[in-house]
Amino acid sequence: AIRITQSPSSLSASTGDRVTITCRASQGISSYLAWYQQKPGKAPKLLIYAASTLQSGVPSRFSGSGSGTDFTLTISCLQSEDFATYYCQQYYSYPQTFGQGTKVEIK
Amino acid sequence: QVQLVESGGGVVQPGRSLRLSCAASGFTFSSYGMHWVRQAPGKGLEWVAVIWYDGSNKYYADSVKGRFTISRDNSKNTLYLQMNSLRAEDTAVYYCARDSNRPLGYCSSTSCYMDVWGQGTTVTVSS
Repeated sequence: AIRITQSPSSLSASTGDRVTITCRASQGISSYLAWYQQKPGKAPKLLIYAASTLQSGVPSRFSGSGSGTDFTLTISCLQSEDFATYYCQQYYSYPQTFGQGTKVEIK
Repeated sequence: QVQLVESGGGVVQPGRSLRLSCAASGFTFSSYGMHWVRQAPGKGLEWVAVIWYDGSNKYYADSVKGRFTISRDNSKNTLYLQMNSLRAEDTAVYYCARDSNRPLGYCSSTSCYMDVWGQGTTVTVSS
């Protein structure tokens, strides 16, 4: 199975900050990577697919980049509603695998 | 609107069985692959299984292979997960999710991301 290493596991930030989360795959996955946001007690919500394509309705302050093995999610100007846990997921092959998650907390 | 509603969760003893259901509405269910994803208490997301739009292909996580069976009834717009020989480590919230069914390039030849998720149903395996 393809391993996904996500970092950091948590971070503290303030509203207005720029935040970056990274994922590294154990082998090349082209651009077959998605990012999800999950708030406590809620289902995950798709933010970005194909590494850099913003899902409809997702604010433009979210962006994704990367291909091959290294990927990045950036939140350009953190808003209060962005405090949540973020997961990357490879869908290059089965079994699909998720990163361990990054909890974005209020500083 | 597009909606997925899971049901069937509960408390079950180790070694016993449980069947989860996921009722779909607001889209043409028979045109989409469907996934199950789970999340143990306080842990991250774990992909469990996928079934293609017509049921012709199924893939499983190694942790559930041989114990869980994914199936669907397109006439009822419903996805199922039959869980046998349950273990304590199967305790989790189980989500069903729709495969996005996008063209090659956005998706690999066999695998795609999940664009719609249900609210989840909780399974607790305990004696």
